[in-house]
Amino acid sequence: EAGVAQSPRYKIIEKRQSVAFWCNPISGHATLYWYQQILGQGPKLLIQFQNNGVVDDSQLPKDRFSAERLKGVDSTLKIQPAKLEDSAVYLCASSPILGRREYGYTFGSGTRLTVV
Amino acid sequence: ELKVEQNPLFLSMQEGKNYTIYCNYSTTSDRLYWYRQDPGKSLESLFVLLSNGAVKQEGRLMASLDTKARLSTLHITAAVHDLSATYFCAVDKVNGYALNFGKGTSLLVTP
Repeated sequence: EAGVAQSPRYKIIEKRQSVAFWCNPISGHATLYWYQQILGQGPKLLIQFQNNGVVDDSQLPKDRFSAERLKGVDSTLKIQPAKLEDSAVYLCASSPILGRREYGYTFGSGTRLTVV
Repeated sequence: ELKVEQNPLFLSMQEGKNYTIYCNYSTTSDRLYWYRQDPGKSLESLFVLLSNGAVKQEGRLMASLDTKARLSTLHITAAVHDLSATYFCAVDKVNGYALNFGKGTSLLVTP
């Protein structure tokens, strides 16, 4: 089965610019997550979708970050305007069905963002 | 707030030796996950532990879960260089279905 697809793999932008990341989860996976992983730290949840609805966005900096999952399949995460502290790897993950934890969570390869 | 603490954060060990990585979490949960991350790579699922007393083994790695102690261990037996990586434990959020990660244990296995 195809994995979680993310693009781009790398992005370098100047502060105050905008940037967007794309994620296509495993086919049929209802739940999609965006995580931020700063160098040397564990991933931190930004937002969680169930189909095309938001389940949890409590840690999303909503003044600059936004995310959507139209049609309940692929998703985009946007940052506008970017700050230096947004430099991180942005990981997308998906899982089959809310509550079916035995399947775990599958992560994409991530997008490494550098803000200069 | 659910907190997940791993120790040690850094571990250098010789090939052939045994060692244990510990993962403590702060609130009730009976679901714990172990992931491996190689430099510049994404997270690879190692173990999914879904109940108290769960024990899983894959090759030289064995993971266990004690939900009463809120503790999971990842035991490494006869380490080899290929095990060098960062290992993360993660716990589902209480009443939720997203992961809270520890800071990771950076493991280096030397000859």
